[in-house]
Amino acid sequence: GNSVTQMEGPVTLSEEAFLTINCTYTATGYPSLFWYVQYPGEGLQLLLKATKADDKGSNKGFEATYRKETTSFHLEKGSVQVSDSAVYFCALSDRSAVKTGANNLFFGTGTRLTVIP
Amino acid sequence: ETGVTQSPTHLIKTRGQQVTLRCSSQSGHNTVSWYQQALGQGPQFIFQYYREEENGRGNFPPRFSGLQFPNYSSELNVNALELDDSALYLCASSPGQGSHNEQFFGPGTRLTVL
Repeated sequence: GNSVTQMEGPVTLSEEAFLTINCTYTATGYPSLFWYVQYPGEGLQLLLKATKADDKGSNKGFEATYRKETTSFHLEKGSVQVSDSAVYFCALSDRSAVKTGANNLFFGTGTRLTVIP
Repeated sequence: ETGVTQSPTHLIKTRGQQVTLRCSSQSGHNTVSWYQQALGQGPQFIFQYYREEENGRGNFPPRFSGLQFPNYSSELNVNALELDDSALYLCASSPGQGSHNEQFFGPGTRLTVL
């Protein structure tokens, strides 16, 4: 089946520190991979995505590379800011998942990031 | 352009009752998906509606049901509420059902079952 495992939090970093949040996946078909962010009191927002192996998604200084050989999609940012404090979710959609619909998402449990000044 | 909206924001019910949650999709979007997010967990897919028909379903019992209307807004109905149904319910709309279509999420409805 389809599943996502991501690094458990919470993660606390000082401003300008380097961030890595690990994510690995299991998929029966050909997944697209996503990182979503959830700021306090808000809905989920797409942060970045990659649709095939070796693609790199990037946005707002965050990056993640789709690694098929290690089934991973780790999120990185070189220098975090206080405004990056949020919960980050790794997710996949499997276009061969006929039963659940091709663009529906399977999420990890989320990693809470707190950045302190 | 108006994003995805959900109502109500918060809701408190007692065990055994029934609840209806509502979602208005983003303009131009014909596909709506519902997710359940328990506290401290990632969202779990409940079902999807595409052009008023159920298009896919996750591992939720039949007491979770839904509707989509001609304007593509949607309802989630839960019968015989259980304590474990307490969660944030998220609605997401997309311009189609294909895997290339990004889902846009609403802020959610927080349901508490006592």
